[in-house]
Amino acid sequence: DSGVTQTPKHLITATGQRVTLRCSPRSGDLSVYWYQQSLDQGLQFLIHYYNGEERAKGNILERFSAQQFPDLHSELNLSSLELGDSALYFCASSVEPAGEQFFGPGTRLTVL
Amino acid sequence: GDSVTQMEGPVTLSEEAFLTINCTYTATGYPSLFWYVQYPGEGLQLLLKATKADDKGSNKGFEATYRKETTSFHLEKGSVQVSDSAVYFCALSVYGNKLVFGAGTILRVKS
Repeated sequence: DSGVTQTPKHLITATGQRVTLRCSPRSGDLSVYWYQQSLDQGLQFLIHYYNGEERAKGNILERFSAQQFPDLHSELNLSSLELGDSALYFCASSVEPAGEQFFGPGTRLTVL
Repeated sequence: GDSVTQMEGPVTLSEEAFLTINCTYTATGYPSLFWYVQYPGEGLQLLLKATKADDKGSNKGFEATYRKETTSFHLEKGSVQVSDSAVYFCALSVYGNKLVFGAGTILRVKS
């Protein structure tokens, strides 16, 4: 158990819908990262927050957005969902931006 | 841009066989290098890491050496077990903001 929690574990929804994925980092970790794992694209970095502020953006679509709240949990919002958004979404946390990243168990999103 | 290339799988071995999974990288800066492991239905776990040239990372019998001259970080284990069956990812980080992963290599160990 890494100490990073993600909810929900599974999510099934329809095209065009909007969902919110939640991540709670390890106690004391200020950095939160989001990654997408899909069969065709592999593991791709989406976005990094540090202590509530966005630090870096990767291959994140405009339909996706994220935020980190004062209690340091983070949410990834996915809207206007398409079939191709079906993937595993991982959250990771670290004490500081250059620190070891600890991964959560992931949320499996299925878009029908 | 930064990228990681690792050998395609699946790699199928018998128990107690020697394991090598090749990994090479391209980076614009001076990266830290990592091997992560993903067991079925679970998230990624850090297996080992190396932060500078000639460093050797090791954990649970696995080893990898940071070779700057060949831009490589090959994973090795002298004697694999069935419990080592998993997906192994090589990754790099340059500025600490993100991990760049390879495609992953499936390892299957038969008893």
